[in-house]
Amino acid sequence: NAGVIQTPRHKVTGKGQEATLWCEPISGHSAVFWYRQTIVQGLEFLTYFRNQAPIDDSGMPKERFSAQMPNQSHSTLKIQSTQPQDSAVYLCASSLDWGQNTLYFGAGTRLSVL
Amino acid sequence: GDQVEQSPSALSLHEGTGSALRCNFTTTMRAVQWFRKNSRGSLINLFYLASGTKENGRLKSAFDSKERYSTLHIRDAQLEDSGTYFCAAFDSGYNKLTFGKGTVLLVSP
Repeated sequence: NAGVIQTPRHKVTGKGQEATLWCEPISGHSAVFWYRQTIVQGLEFLTYFRNQAPIDDSGMPKERFSAQMPNQSHSTLKIQSTQPQDSAVYLCASSLDWGQNTLYFGAGTRLSVL
Repeated sequence: GDQVEQSPSALSLHEGTGSALRCNFTTTMRAVQWFRKNSRGSLINLFYLASGTKENGRLKSAFDSKERYSTLHIRDAQLEDSGTYFCAAFDSGYNKLTFGKGTVLLVSP
């Protein structure tokens, strides 16, 4: 079991460019979460999928951010027209089932917007 | 205000001593999870509790949903325990895991 896999580990973009972050949840896990970590805000919930369907995106900035889960083996977080304030570590997590206990986190993608 | 208030924000311990981290919740939470960030920045699961207490080695955690708090006790601290510890709580719908801001633990000889 390789755990939750996130790619790339580091991404550097210029202001205004697009960034796509990838997450491969643990096989068989039906719930996938995206979080963002910054020094100022700590860990913030962004969005959550269950069986590939978006359930709660209340933490997503309304503009420029979008997340998809086209199949059960991967999810993407896309940030359009990146801004310096988007710089953060983006974490993906999965759990076996909704309402099910332990979340397993990937190592994260460090996004730096110059 | 924050739903999960974690304290202290920083903690210094000498080897062999112990202390407790605490998270207070402003609403009723279904469960709590404690994590430690490792040297690679990954979040390592320490405990998941829906109630009661759990113990693993020198770590022990408790969760009281009614009283709205959880604790993580560390005893006989070792140098390798140094790092950042996070608590996180599941809301009533198990939809979200809300994190505290973390405790930076430094264990010194």
